[in-house]
Amino acid sequence: AQTVTQSQPEMSVQEAETVTLSCTYDTSESDYYLFWYKQPPSRQMILVIRQEAYKQQNATENRFSVNFQKAAKSFSLKISDSQLGDAAMYFCAYRSPNSGYALNFGKGTSLLVTP
Amino acid sequence: EAGVTQFPSHSVIEKGQTVTLRCDPISGHDNLYWYRRVMGKEIKFLLHFVKESKQDESGMPNNRFLAERTGGTYSTLKVQPAELEDSGVYFCASSQYGFSNSPLHFGNGTRLTVT
Repeated sequence: AQTVTQSQPEMSVQEAETVTLSCTYDTSESDYYLFWYKQPPSRQMILVIRQEAYKQQNATENRFSVNFQKAAKSFSLKISDSQLGDAAMYFCAYRSPNSGYALNFGKGTSLLVTP
Repeated sequence: EAGVTQFPSHSVIEKGQTVTLRCDPISGHDNLYWYRRVMGKEIKFLLHFVKESKQDESGMPNNRFLAERTGGTYSTLKVQPAELEDSGVYFCASSQYGFSNSPLHFGNGTRLTVT
């Protein structure tokens, strides 16, 4: 089974600064998808960004971007110009066509944004 | 558009009792998923419905868990009898398509506490 590892249980960043959340995964497959989900204190989990493994270009969504290193099996999330509303639990997830429709999640990183 | 809704938001029951969780997906979403997060661990996939059919139930922990989706609309997840290790947050998600890169829309989750 694919495993997703988020080595940072907690991170802190000052408002307007940049923070990078790390994620590594273990797989023998070549075709898969990677996601970052955000769960604010209100608890609804929302999709932040996704990356197709076959694409070399790193995905970006406004202030959110990823550094996808396929050979290293690394998928980090960079948040630029951090805002108070970015405070949340961030989950990295993996999904493969060969493993059904299950999302494999990491344990999450709790991001604190300080004024 | 209404999002994925889950009821109740929080349930506290005693060991041996029965609890039924409900999930209403986004209207028109044929794909419905149940996930669970036990304290301090990863979010784990439980099962996937396509309309009223169980597409993948490989994540269901044991036969104390029964999921249904009669009529292909809302879904219920029954735990009978509940055990202490069943405590956690149960998430429901839905998606319009079943592709691996199709984003999942999550509900707020049901926090189940078994005492």
